[in-house]
Amino acid sequence: EVQLVESGGGLVKPGGSLRLSCAASGLTFSYAWMNWARQAPGKGLEWVGRIKSIPDGGTTDYAAPVKGRFTISRDDSKSTLYLQMNSLKTEDTAVYYCTTCGADCYSDYWGQGTLVTVSS
Amino acid sequence: EIVMTQSPATLSVSPGERATLSCRASQSVSGNLAWYQQKPGQAPRLLMYGASTRATGFPARFSGSGSGTEFTLTISSLQSEDFAVYYCQQYNNWPPFTFGPGTKVDIK
Repeated sequence: EVQLVESGGGLVKPGGSLRLSCAASGLTFSYAWMNWARQAPGKGLEWVGRIKSIPDGGTTDYAAPVKGRFTISRDDSKSTLYLQMNSLKTEDTAVYYCTTCGADCYSDYWGQGTLVTVSS
Repeated sequence: EIVMTQSPATLSVSPGERATLSCRASQSVSGNLAWYQQKPGQAPRLLMYGASTRATGFPARFSGSGSGTEFTLTISSLQSEDFAVYYCQQYNNWPPFTFGPGTKVDIK
C-alpha cells in the first residue's frame, strides 16, 4: 500500500522560509515522479510543482505563483520528497499535499497534507 | 495556461438520485482528464483518470465521459458516502496541471 506522510508545516512570518518533507513507502520511490499541490483554507486545489525521477532526468516544473521561490528536491536513499519554500507570502497559506504521478501524471496517491500558515 | 471550469458550483441531490457534474477546458485536453473526490477534512482521492477509467475502490455507479473540452462525471444513484466536493484536472498540457474550481454535491 502506498503511503505518503508530509511534515514540516507550521506558522511562519511573511518573507520567511520553510521546508516540507514527504516520506514515501509502498512504492519504488526512485522511479516515481512526484507532485506537490496545495489548498488554501476553504478554497480549491492548486498544483504547485513536479519532479521527475532521476532516471528520467530529475527535472522540475513549477506553477507561476511559486516559480523562483519554491524548490522541489528528492532524496531517493530516504524515499523522501522535499519542498523548500522561500520568500513566503500570506497567499501561500494552505494545506500542502504531496502526490504520486500516475501515468501521464495525474495524482494517483495523496498524503494527508501539512498546514502552512504565513502570518505576521 | 488551460483554464478549467466546472458546473454547477453546488448540486443538491437526494440519496438515490442521479447526479451529473460538468467540466470544461478552455482548449482541448484530449482524454487527459482526471476527477478527484474530497470529503471534509480529508485529502483528495483519485476517482477517475483518462476521462472514463475508474480508480481502484470506486464502484460502478461512478462513470466518466467526454473528450476534448467537454467532460461529465455521473453518479447514477447517490449514496450517503458520495456527498463530497469533486474536482476535475487536466494533465494534457503542462505545466501547470490545472484544476477546476470544484462542484460540491450536498444532500437535498
